[in-house]
Amino acid sequence: EAQVTQNPRYLITVTGKKLTVTCSQNMNHEYMSWYRQDPGLGLRQIYYSMNVEVTDKGDVPEGYKVSRKEKRNFPLILESPSPNQTSLYFCASSLTPLAKTQYFGPGTRLLVL
Amino acid sequence: AQSVTQLDSHVSVSEGTPVLLRCNYSSSYSPSLFWYVQHPNKGLQLLLKYTSAATLVKGINGFEAEFKKSETSFHLTKPSAHMSDAAEYFCVVSDLGSQGNLIFGKGTKLSVKP
Repeated sequence: EAQVTQNPRYLITVTGKKLTVTCSQNMNHEYMSWYRQDPGLGLRQIYYSMNVEVTDKGDVPEGYKVSRKEKRNFPLILESPSPNQTSLYFCASSLTPLAKTQYFGPGTRLLVL
Repeated sequence: AQSVTQLDSHVSVSEGTPVLLRCNYSSSYSPSLFWYVQHPNKGLQLLLKYTSAATLVKGINGFEAEFKKSETSFHLTKPSAHMSDAAEYFCVVSDLGSQGNLIFGKGTKLSVKP
């Protein structure tokens, strides 16, 4: 089954404790992306990747890092989480950035205390 | 620079009546435009997409949208609302000048009354 998986689905952590949210897709997609969703703000793109070893900043990259060492994986790293990073995070992938179907993961709800 | 504005944060309709969710965009290049739907506690699902082909785009579940360049609009419509259409809808723009960077609108919550 074609899918995007994210782990963990729910996470409560404390300020400053490094964390990683994993994202994996099984469709051999070139394009992957991370978004955060906040009430009243819609989804905002954090980082995206056009292919292995190619990443670029989205609209709200501050406080986040990503890597794309393999085509299937695109982890999101918060080196020193802060409460303003409490949000719902979505990973997405597609064959190309403008492909007809973008596949979204189920979301990771993060609470930073 | 590209941007997208969803003109209504909340729309309420009665079951069986038409749905209109409004979206305006700005883009320096020929844009690609999308509508996504998010049901409560679910991920996002693509409804439809415009990429410079036919200006009237048909999507899933009876939704369609019309690209109007002169009005910089991409409004989403459905002739007859169903209870299962209650969800949040997002208009998204992307253009060739910033390939890979998708800009989401803030969302419109659609309520459907019986």
